Amino acid sequence: NAGVMQNPRHLVRRRGQEARLRCSPMKGHSHVYWYRQLPEEGLKFMVYLQKENIIDESGMPKERFSAEFPKEGPSILRIQQVVRGDSAAYFCASSQLRTGKTSGNTIYFGEGSWLTVV
Amino acid sequence: KNQVEQSPQSLIILEGKNCTLQCNYTVSPFSNLRWYKQDTGRGPVSLTIMTFSENTKSNGRYTATLDADTKQSSLHITASQLSDSASYICVVICRTGGGNKLTFGTGTQLKVEL
Repeated sequence: NAGVMQNPRHLVRRRGQEARLRCSPMKGHSHVYWYRQLPEEGLKFMVYLQKENIIDESGMPKERFSAEFPKEGPSILRIQQVVRGDSAAYFCASSQLRTGKTSGNTIYFGEGSWLTVV
Repeated sequence: KNQVEQSPQSLIILEGKNCTLQCNYTVSPFSNLRWYKQDTGRGPVSLTIMTFSENTKSNGRYTATLDADTKQSSLHITASQLSDSASYICVVICRTGGGNKLTFGTGTQLKVEL
């Protein structure tokens, strides 16, 4: 039973290029969350999606960032025209139920995608 | 503003010793609290999940406590091993109109030495 799969694990982009990060949730999970972790900082919520729907994008910058979770295929976090400040680890997590609905609803994290903007 | 504060920021202990990590939160309304272990360069892995009514929960050598009145939680690690070296992150879930949101602490960086 594969866990949350993220790719690429490491990505280097020049300023102004686009970065696409992919996340395949655990089998049977329909809730996906994206978090960003800057060096020496905690994880910060970006966006919460269900299949074909964005539920909460309050943590995502209004410009250059977008996320989707299509009916088929992985969730994608897209960063356009990257800048040096976008360099961070981006973690995807998935759960079977809405987070916190039951105490037994574990959230599983992927191994992260490390974006470096040069 | 929902916040989760952890202490100490970093900790070095000898192998075999015990340690306790602290987490204070101001998240409201509270749903549940989780402790995660994050190895360097890896994703967080869940250690415990605690609801409002639970005071103590153990997972092997890890024991978490929760005092919902004072909004404090602790993670106690007994008989530490070198493989316990990692960042330990306290995460608090709050209920919002748009769903449930996770607020992360910045973590305690634990290093276990020989």
